[in-house]
Amino acid sequence: DARVTQTPRDKVTEMGQEVTMRCQPILGHNTVFWYRQTMMQGLELLAYFRNRAPLDDSGMPKDRFSAEMPDATLATLKIQPSEPRDSAVYFCASGSSMDPYGYTFGSGTRLTVV
Amino acid sequence: AQKITQTQPGMFVQEKEAVTLDCTYDTSDPSYGLFWYKQPSSGEMIFLIYQGSYDQQNATEGRYSLNFQKARKSANLVISASQLGDSAMYFCAMREDFTGTASKLTFGTGTRLQVTL
Repeated sequence: DARVTQTPRDKVTEMGQEVTMRCQPILGHNTVFWYRQTMMQGLELLAYFRNRAPLDDSGMPKDRFSAEMPDATLATLKIQPSEPRDSAVYFCASGSSMDPYGYTFGSGTRLTVV
Repeated sequence: AQKITQTQPGMFVQEKEAVTLDCTYDTSDPSYGLFWYKQPSSGEMIFLIYQGSYDQQNATEGRYSLNFQKARKSANLVISASQLGDSAMYFCAMREDFTGTASKLTFGTGTRLQVTL
């Protein structure tokens, strides 16, 4: 089965440190999403890309968060500097404009900032 | 205004019974898609079922069916013959501007389903 791969699975870091989360979308999928899940806010869209170009990053705190797709097989979400309120599960999902029904989610990165 | 509303924070159902999880949505776009995802305690998001706004028939996938009432803007998930493994969080989601390309999903707050013996 094709899958979206996210690394790391878990990350504990100290406040102020840089955190980088990585996502390998399904081969052939041209749209990649970053979602954040917290108990308080639920699932929020942070950013998404189509054909590696950012389409919408309005959900992302611009001062500390950045999202990129250096190539079609890798998407990154970086937080610098990290804060305790960034503690959440970060999901990457990918989809294809050829198959608009299916969005496949990765297993998520559980981030804890202490 | 909330685009996706799930009013049941938690639900209980006995094994082998059917259960309905409610979802209402709000959009002015005539073309949209509705999704249900399951999130077990392990955390992954599992796609269950999809309904397009122009689909004439309600979607079904095995024990899952979607009760789509367009005029009421509701897209309830029905799980038949519940199993213990159905215990999980269930999310309703919507994609607007369904132009045939993958666009963003907006999620509801979820319903936690507990299946009991």
